[in-house]
Amino acid sequence: GENVEQHPSTLSVQEGDSAVIKCTYSDSASNYFPWYKQELGKRPQLIIDIRSNVGEKKDQRIAVTLNKTAKHFSLHITETQPEDSAVYFCAATNQAGTALIFGKGTTLSVSS
Amino acid sequence: DTGVSQDPRHKITKRGQNVTFRCDPISEHNRLYWYRQTLGQGPEFLTYFQNEAQLEKSRLLSDRFSAERPKGSFSTLEIQRTEQGDSAMYLCASSFGRVNTEAFFGQGTRLTVV
Repeated sequence: GENVEQHPSTLSVQEGDSAVIKCTYSDSASNYFPWYKQELGKRPQLIIDIRSNVGEKKDQRIAVTLNKTAKHFSLHITETQPEDSAVYFCAATNQAGTALIFGKGTTLSVSS
Repeated sequence: DTGVSQDPRHKITKRGQNVTFRCDPISEHNRLYWYRQTLGQGPEFLTYFQNEAQLEKSRLLSDRFSAERPKGSFSTLEIQRTEQGDSAMYLCASSFGRVNTEAFFGQGTRLTVV
């Protein structure tokens, strides 16, 4: 079945720096790649997503890139702020295309 | 409509007891998912409904787990003969239309088996 690997598991940056989180997926049929942010004690919330027919997408300080050949995608956060501190999960559609398979998460800490 | 709601928010049960959780998806969302999340891990897919039909179940879902979505509206997840390893956050999510659209998560039900 689909497997999603996410790195690093923890990431500490200074306010204003950039943060990059990388994910790889195993099933070449995957066609949808969302990123979720989960703050402590709260529900996961979508922050950005990308579909397989697009190589890059940007929304203000957040961007996602997709390399279908290498089967990896990355989240880029620029000009980080303390409120960006949270756990970030990448996900990819499973082989059947019926559900999302999540990575294990990256705990991002932004210190001021 | 304030989003996906789950009930209860917390459940403590003794090992061997049965528990049932409820999920109310966003109105008109035809897709509904159940996930399980343990500390330090990502959400783990359990099962998927399209309208009232349960179309996929994870291999992780043992025979003690059953889910329903009567009439394609709310859904219930029942765990029979609970074990300590069932302790986790159970998340419900819903989406509308195709699979590659945003899935909205509920706040989850935290289950503790003692």
